[in-house]
Amino acid sequence: EAQVTQNPRYLITVTGKKLTVTCSQNMNHEYMSWYRQDPGLGLRQIYYSMNVEVTDKGDVPEGYKVSRKEKRNFPLILESPSPNQTSLYFCASSLSPPRGLAAYTQYFGPGTRLTVL
Amino acid sequence: TQLLEQSPQFLSIQEGENLTVYCNSSSVFSSLQWYRQEPGEGPVLLVTVVTGGEVKKLKRLTFQFGDARKDSSLHITAAQPGDTGLYLCAGPTMGQNFVFGPGTRLSVLP
Repeated sequence: EAQVTQNPRYLITVTGKKLTVTCSQNMNHEYMSWYRQDPGLGLRQIYYSMNVEVTDKGDVPEGYKVSRKEKRNFPLILESPSPNQTSLYFCASSLSPPRGLAAYTQYFGPGTRLTVL
Repeated sequence: TQLLEQSPQFLSIQEGENLTVYCNSSSVFSSLQWYRQEPGEGPVLLVTVVTGGEVKKLKRLTFQFGDARKDSSLHITAAQPGDTGLYLCAGPTMGQNFVFGPGTRLSVLP
């Protein structure tokens, strides 16, 4: 089954304790993204990756890191989490980056609800 | 920065009614997408519109892309409780990233 998986689904942590949220896709997609979703603000892109070893900042990258060492995996790292990073996080993948008139379907994972105390 | 606005923010209607939700921007987009998100799940793509003036139909849902490619609408005919959810519009920016609108939360009451 084609899918994007994220782990963990729920996480409660404390300020300053490093954490990693994993994301994996089995569709051989080039393009992967991380979003956070907050009430009234919709989905905001944190980082995206156009291929292995190619990553770039989205709209809200502060406090986050990513890596893309393999095509299928795109982990999100919070080196020193703070309460303002409490949010619902989604990983997404698509066949390729948006090019010209083509904006390929983004497939989303089930989400990770993070609470930072 | 390319931004997307959506209206209304919330909409509660009775089963069988028609409704329209809107997605607007001051910027031109090469294409726009509509997603639906149900509680506890990630968004799922409904449609992509790529040509100014384009109209696409998906059963009881009709999507339109504005002539100037700055706005889009989603019309639902004879809404059903299964249409309940958060409707998001999204578009690619001049870079290689996506921007989403804040969403319209629709509740269809039986």
